[in-house]
Amino acid sequence: AQSVTQLDSHVSVSEGTPVLLRCNYSSSYSPSLFWYVQHPNKGLQLLLKYTSAATLVKGINGFEAEFKKSETSFHLTKPSAHMSDAAEYFCVVRTSYDKVIFGPGTSLSVIP
Amino acid sequence: NAGVTQTPKFQVLKTGQSMTLQCAQDMNHEYMSWYRQDPGMGLRLIHYSVGAGITDQGEVPNGYNVSRSTTEDFPLRLLSAAPSQTSVYFCASSYSTGSYGYTFGSGTRLTVV
Repeated sequence: AQSVTQLDSHVSVSEGTPVLLRCNYSSSYSPSLFWYVQHPNKGLQLLLKYTSAATLVKGINGFEAEFKKSETSFHLTKPSAHMSDAAEYFCVVRTSYDKVIFGPGTSLSVIP
Repeated sequence: NAGVTQTPKFQVLKTGQSMTLQCAQDMNHEYMSWYRQDPGMGLRLIHYSVGAGITDQGEVPNGYNVSRSTTEDFPLRLLSAAPSQTSVYFCASSYSTGSYGYTFGSGTRLTVV
């Protein structure tokens, strides 16, 4: 069975400091992994995706994530937080078109 | 603008009423799906379609019906609304079967009283 754990339900950082949002997964198959962002009262937007190519994946708005198979992790990072990064972030595991599991989400607050 | 359009944005229903949530995409995507979002639970797949005329159940299909008569449209029907169906509903689409990510609509916030 596959599952997704987002280790922090809420993360708070100061503007200009690094962001780390943690995601661990379990899957019997080689998964595709995604991070999505959801701003208040908006739909979800794809930040980045891992699909078995490079293990370090760069996304939009300066975010990146590293796939570590040995640790079954796919943590999201950004070197310097901006106020506009405040949102909900979802880690997603996909092994087939009907096996898509969303994590519960991590709420990111950015303090001025 | 190209994308996924959902209507309505907000809806209040009484228990037992029926309604259809509309979803349309103009990107010629083969794959479309419906999710519900509940606090602390992420998104859960209700139904999905890999092409016109083909639909299947996801993780939480009970109480919902879908059809896919065209590539563009994928409506979600609530046959007899229940308070447990109070949620935010998202429609998503993608090329092929979603291995490269999905495009989401802006959501429909449904309250069943």
